[in-house]
Amino acid sequence: ELKVEQNPLFLSMQEGKNYTIYCNYSTTSDRLYWYRQDPGKSLESLFVLLSNGAVKQEGRLMASLDTKARLSTLHITAAVHDLSATYFCAAAGGTSYGKLTFGQGTILTVHP
Amino acid sequence: DAGVIQSPRHEVTEMGQEVTLRCKLISGHNSLFWYRQTMMRGLELLIYFNNNVPIDDSGMPEDRFSAKMPNASFSTLKIQPSEPRDSAVYFCASSFGVRQTEAFFGQGTRLTVV
Repeated sequence: ELKVEQNPLFLSMQEGKNYTIYCNYSTTSDRLYWYRQDPGKSLESLFVLLSNGAVKQEGRLMASLDTKARLSTLHITAAVHDLSATYFCAAAGGTSYGKLTFGQGTILTVHP
Repeated sequence: DAGVIQSPRHEVTEMGQEVTLRCKLISGHNSLFWYRQTMMRGLELLIYFNNNVPIDDSGMPEDRFSAKMPNASFSTLKIQPSEPRDSAVYFCASSFGVRQTEAFFGQGTRLTVV
């Protein structure tokens, strides 16, 4: 069974600082997703990573995928308050081809 | 496109009542996913369809839950009878293809069973 673990689960950052959220998954997966969720809102797709070594960047966020290590990272550069949200990674695969297994989520709070 | 549309946005019902949640897919999408989100269990996939056919329903918690796709653009998730532990936010998401190169989520239905 595919398991996905994120760390840290809670992250309090100062504006302007850099940090990385880690996402480990337990079995082979050929797709890794990052989503953002604001309180009481839906999930917004941030990145889809489809191959080993894939790197995608959007603004202050950069995601990467290492399929050999079964690890994806979401790097935050020079954090700003607007990035405060919960970030989820999700891996696809395992015994059910279309199934996305989500991590627990990382609650990010950016302070002035 | 208006995106994935769910209704109702909020539902409060008494234990034992039947609840029906609705989802309209993005036009042209052919895969539909129902998720449940709770504080304790996080986001769980309940069931997904491809081309109106249920592919994997292993996440459906009990026989009290059922899901249908009566046509290519619409799905329902029914809980009968509802119980307090069913209280959660239920999301549907749609994509083109099962490989989900990108899945789009609806706004969710917040269900409270009292």
